[in-house]
Amino acid sequence: NAGVTQTPKFQVLKTGQSMTLQCAQDMNHNSMYWYRQDPGMGLRLIYYSASEGTTDKGEVPNGYNVSRLNKREFSLRLESAAPSQTSVYFCASSVQKETQYFGPGTRLLVL
Amino acid sequence: AQSVTQLDSQVPVFEEAPVELRCNYSSSVSVYLFWYVQYPNQGLQLLLKYLSGSTLVESINGFEAEFNKSQTSFHLRKPSVHISDTAEYFCAVSNAGGTSYGKLTFGQGTILTVHP
Repeated sequence: NAGVTQTPKFQVLKTGQSMTLQCAQDMNHNSMYWYRQDPGMGLRLIYYSASEGTTDKGEVPNGYNVSRLNKREFSLRLESAAPSQTSVYFCASSVQKETQYFGPGTRLLVL
Repeated sequence: AQSVTQLDSQVPVFEEAPVELRCNYSSSVSVYLFWYVQYPNQGLQLLLKYLSGSTLVESINGFEAEFNKSQTSFHLRKPSVHISDTAEYFCAVSNAGGTSYGKLTFGQGTILTVHP
């Protein structure tokens, strides 16, 4: 089992460009999450998907959209990147309220 | 709303010394509590968790944490640290009831640096 995988690992964007971060899990988990990690702020929830076909906003959803493509995949889209979105992005999955399993992260720099 | 406060942003310690990383939380409902560890340039890994039952929980690599409901704390301890314990540690909380679907609220993180 690969667990939670994320692509790409690194990305540099110019302000205004768009991109999609991909996440997939092979653990048959119902719930999936997107977080961003910034120095001194811990991880903050952007969006989550409690189950296939549902998505909901987290703490910092502005500037992002998500798609729960199927049970395995949960993508995060930046429609018009801004320097404030420079961060490390983590995808996670879980069986409802149990332990969350995290991917290796995507490091995004917006110039 | 929930919040988590990790009281120390950085904790330097010598190898084989004991360490305590402090975590306090605020919540109006029952909670689950977690400690995650992040090694450099990696994702987060679960270290230990409290869901119910015994308030003292242990990890396989010698860490332990005690849930103290009256003090709303979940401090992480290890009696003797190793160089390999150098990492950033995150305390997190989620609702034990309702339909929060496991949404985690994280603390700001504590960087543990173990010196030889």
